[in-house]
Amino acid sequence: SQQGEEDPQALSIQEGENATMNCSYKTSINNLQWYRQNSGRGLVHLILIRSNEREKHSGRLRVTLDTSKKSSSLLITASRAADTASYFCAISQGAQKLVFGQGTRLTINP
Amino acid sequence: DTAVSQTPKYLVTQMGNDKSIKCEQNLGHDTMYWYKQDSKKFLKIMFSYNNKELIINETVPNRFSPKSPDKAHLNLHINSLELGDSAVYFCASSRGGGLGDNEQFFGPGTRLTVL
Repeated sequence: SQQGEEDPQALSIQEGENATMNCSYKTSINNLQWYRQNSGRGLVHLILIRSNEREKHSGRLRVTLDTSKKSSSLLITASRAADTASYFCAISQGAQKLVFGQGTRLTINP
Repeated sequence: DTAVSQTPKYLVTQMGNDKSIKCEQNLGHDTMYWYKQDSKKFLKIMFSYNNKELIINETVPNRFSPKSPDKAHLNLHINSLELGDSAVYFCASSRGGGLGDNEQFFGPGTRLTVL
């Protein structure tokens, strides 16, 4: 399968803790993207990391990419209740096509 | 101010009917997409259009026919609806680029229920 596979499928942590989600894939990629989906909503783009990059930051988000292991991780620091959502990785192999995983469902408990 | 909009938000219909979902983007993007998200949250691309031309068609039954009257609109028509078509359908758009290196902007989704 070309799709990214997220791990864990579900994660529940206390507010203020860090949340780490992982994504593994099987093919070569142009870039890897992370998206958030709040319940009943469309996906929102968070971060794009290119195949020649190893780490990117955006606010409380940190994404790493290890192309030798074909894996990426998304770290959310100092989590907040509003971070409760599903998080998807999507791999891009070109031709404007993204292949999404099934997502990690993150719950932040107050 | 809505970037990518879809109508309707909810669609409940009987098996065998024909229905359409409309999508519009005001971002000036060249590429638009339709995705299907099933009950397990798996999101799968169905079609992609670039400047009104079909560039991706992912083994979708030919009961599904996308139509792009202009690059700001990509509508999805579904004939002879089946129970398995029940899902949430998302429209998205992105700038052109050819390498898939652009973020995609998603609409709010259309929840289709076939009875």
